Amino acid sequence: DAGVIQSPRHEVTEMGQEVTLRCKPISGHNSLFWYRQTMMRGLELLIYFNNNVPIDDSGMPEDRFSAKMPNASFSTLKIQPSEPRDSAVYFCASSLPSVPGERGGLETGELFFGEGSRLTVL
Amino acid sequence: AQKITQTQPGMFVQEKEAVTLDCTYDTSDQSYGLFWYKQPSSGEMIFLIYQGSYDEQNATEGRYSLNFQKARKSANLVISASQLGDSAMYFCAMREVYSSASKIIFGSGTRLSIRP
Repeated sequence: DAGVIQSPRHEVTEMGQEVTLRCKPISGHNSLFWYRQTMMRGLELLIYFNNNVPIDDSGMPEDRFSAKMPNASFSTLKIQPSEPRDSAVYFCASSLPSVPGERGGLETGELFFGEGSRLTVL
Repeated sequence: AQKITQTQPGMFVQEKEAVTLDCTYDTSDQSYGLFWYKQPSSGEMIFLIYQGSYDEQNATEGRYSLNFQKARKSANLVISASQLGDSAMYFCAMREVYSSASKIIFGSGTRLSIRP
């Protein structure tokens, strides 16, 4: 099975330009997460969706950032206008729900990550 | 609010030695899961091991084990017989389980370097 697919892998753009990052989650996964990774701030959760509905976008840095999930197999993260401080690696990840299992344990709900999109804003 | 703390920014360990990476967490929930991920220099995120809050036994996966101390809210990763390929960033993460929708947050990571 294909894993989480992100595009583009690398993007170099100039300040003020619009950037769109794309993600295709693993088929059957109902949760999708967008993270941003920088040296200074580590791995930050930007937003996550459950069954295509945004659940928590409190990590989105400002109004320049927006994310959509129009269907179960596609999500976008858009930055408009982009700024140099947005330079980072953006990861998309998907998972099954972490819920109590039949035997009393928990289904893990582990994250499956894409390879990331490295964004450089000049 | 949930929080993950990794207090070791970097560690150096001699090859073949065991190493323990620290992780403490804070949550008010009774149901949660704890994860460790490895990120080598190539950048991909690799899932290593999982521990559920209801699991009474420590999780093990090959050379990885998780030292879970629920009362102390710690979930340390133990790597036995370290190898050069273990050099990487290691992240601890937590997922609260209060509904089918729950977020996963990460600690700041520990950079592990294995000396030959």
